[in-house]
Order: sequence, then C-alpha cells, then structure tokens
Amino acid sequence: DVKVTQSSRYLVKRTGEKVFLECVQDMDHENMFWYRQDPGLGLRLIYFSYDVKMKEKGDIPEGYSVSREKKERFSLILESASTNQTSMYLCASSAGTGWFTDTQYFGPGTRLTVL
Amino acid sequence: QKEVEQNSGPLSVPEGAIASLNCTYSDRGSQSFFWYRQYSGKSPELIMFIYSNGDKEDGRFTAQLNKASQYVSLLIRDSQPSDSATYLCAVDKLIFGTGTRLQVFP
Repeated sequence: DVKVTQSSRYLVKRTGEKVFLECVQDMDHENMFWYRQDPGLGLRLIYFSYDVKMKEKGDIPEGYSVSREKKERFSLILESASTNQTSMYLCASSAGTGWFTDTQYFGPGTRLTVL
Repeated sequence: QKEVEQNSGPLSVPEGAIASLNCTYSDRGSQSFFWYRQYSGKSPELIMFIYSNGDKEDGRFTAQLNKASQYVSLLIRDSQPSDSATYLCAVDKLIFGTGTRLQVFP
C-alpha cells in the first residue's frame, strides 16, 4: 500500500511565524503535490514537484515556498504565517509514468490554525 | 483559468437508489478525469478514473465521460448510507471541483 504521511495532524501557529509542513511518501513516487482545502473552495494546488529539486507553482503559490531535497520528502513552507493561511493542507504523491494520468495518493492532512 | 464545476449539493437519495453526480470542465484539451470520495475529516481517496469517452464500470460505480460536451459523471448504484460523503471531481489530476455532498438516507 502506498503510504503518504504528514508531520502533524493539527498545528497552531502565530501570525508572522515561519511554518514547516512535512510530507513523506514511501513508494518512490516522482511527483508530489501540496493542496489546501477550504470550505466552498475545494482543493487548490499550491505547488507541485515532478523530480528532486524541481518545483512548479500551482494556482495559489503566494505566501508559500517548497523544498524537495530528497525524492520521498516534500516540504511546504509558510515564510510568515498569516490568518488567511488557516486551512487544511493536503499532500499527495503519484508515480512518474504518464504523470497526468496516474492516481494521486493523499496524506491524512494537516489542519493549520494561524492566530 | 481551467475550471471544474460541481453542484455542491447536498444530493439526498434513499438507500438502494441510484445516485448521479455530475461534473463539467472548461479545458477541452483535458485528458484524464478522476472521482475521489472524501469522508468528513478525512483525506480524499480515489474511486475511479476515466480517460476515454463512454462508460467505465467498477462494482457499484460507473464513470461516464463525454468529451464533446465536456462533462463527466459518476453513478452509484444501490446507494448505501456508507456512501454518504463528498465526491470530488478532478481533471488532469491538478484541478479539482469543490465537491458534491451526497447523503444516502435509510
């Protein structure tokens, strides 16, 4: 079974803090993704990566950055957390062959609250 | 801006009935289409994917794709209360709809 894990299920931070969200997958997948999910807005893609040290902006990259130093790990960084970044953050991974078509596997999510 | 549209619902159906969930997309060049189920408080899990026009069946689930009309649907036969969840349509893996909440009542 594919396993995607995220470092925290719940996280509370203060405005202005630097926040790291970690995601690890154990299936040697090339592609990894970060989404946020908000009521009424669905899942929105923040960043994705199709290879180590490679990254691409998604629909809403502002205020975020990412790091992928190793294939299995994809980190989302909030440089200076703001209250409008309070959300559920979901990480996903997929295999590299035909990356537009391969199934994404999601982690359990991190519910981040910024006070 | 690529868009995927779904009716937010809730769609309420009695147990044993067919639930029909619909999704339209804006990019005519889209190649792959996915249906995910998300229970409250949980992360999405894949139900089905479809790439070609027509129907694809998997157990009680049937995905239907019509590229000319740019819609994809999911039919759930013999709906069960355990099917109550939000169903997310995704296109080319990167673009998700907002989801349709399905309620199956006994």
